[in-house]
Amino acid sequence: QVQLVQSGAEVKQPGASVRVSCKASGYTFSAYNRHIHWVRQAPGQGLEWMGWINPNTGGTKYAQKFQGRVTMTRDTSISTAYMDLSRLISDDTAIYYCAREVSGFDSWGQGTLVTVSS
Amino acid sequence: DIQMTQSPSSLSASVGDRVSITCRASQSIGTWLAWYQQKPGKAPNLLIYTASNLESGVSSRFSGSGFGTEFTLTISSLQPDDFATYYCQHYNSFPYTFGQGTKLEIK
Repeated sequence: QVQLVQSGAEVKQPGASVRVSCKASGYTFSAYNRHIHWVRQAPGQGLEWMGWINPNTGGTKYAQKFQGRVTMTRDTSISTAYMDLSRLISDDTAIYYCAREVSGFDSWGQGTLVTVSS
Repeated sequence: DIQMTQSPSSLSASVGDRVSITCRASQSIGTWLAWYQQKPGKAPNLLIYTASNLESGVSSRFSGSGFGTEFTLTISSLQPDDFATYYCQHYNSFPYTFGQGTKLEIK
């Protein structure tokens, strides 16, 4: 079965960077049209789309809000996608999810809590 | 960017009730719309894709309809497990955006 397993919780100071990983299994990671998206959810808030990576080509698209601070990459040899977020502020405290797109997001990681605090 | 607006923001209902949640897009998205259910402490779960297609393994009590700018998620005969928060999302073009969510609570 399709599984996305994310890295563990992180605590970061303001101004630091964080990397969250998302390891895929149960399907061909770089298959055509199996894109990986990143979505975050601040405490008690709704879902916010951050961006997308095409694991086949490495192509990316980011939400305007995160342009210049987010980088999404992948390592096809280990079926893993990464989301790097820099210059962290307290408002970046959230659960970060990766999700696979087929039609809609049919599989999600378990979420990674990133806490930004001094 | 396409804005997605859900109504109501919260809804109280009883087991056995039929409920509907509406999602409106700020411009036409055809049928590029998905619905998700999220329970506290869990990742969202896909219920409906392309506006009206039921995801494999999801109860047939869930149904979706709509085209263009107005969409509806209907849950027939609410069960205790259905009390959760529901989100719509378009995937017509980047950026994909979500509705603000509808919290379905037990009356």
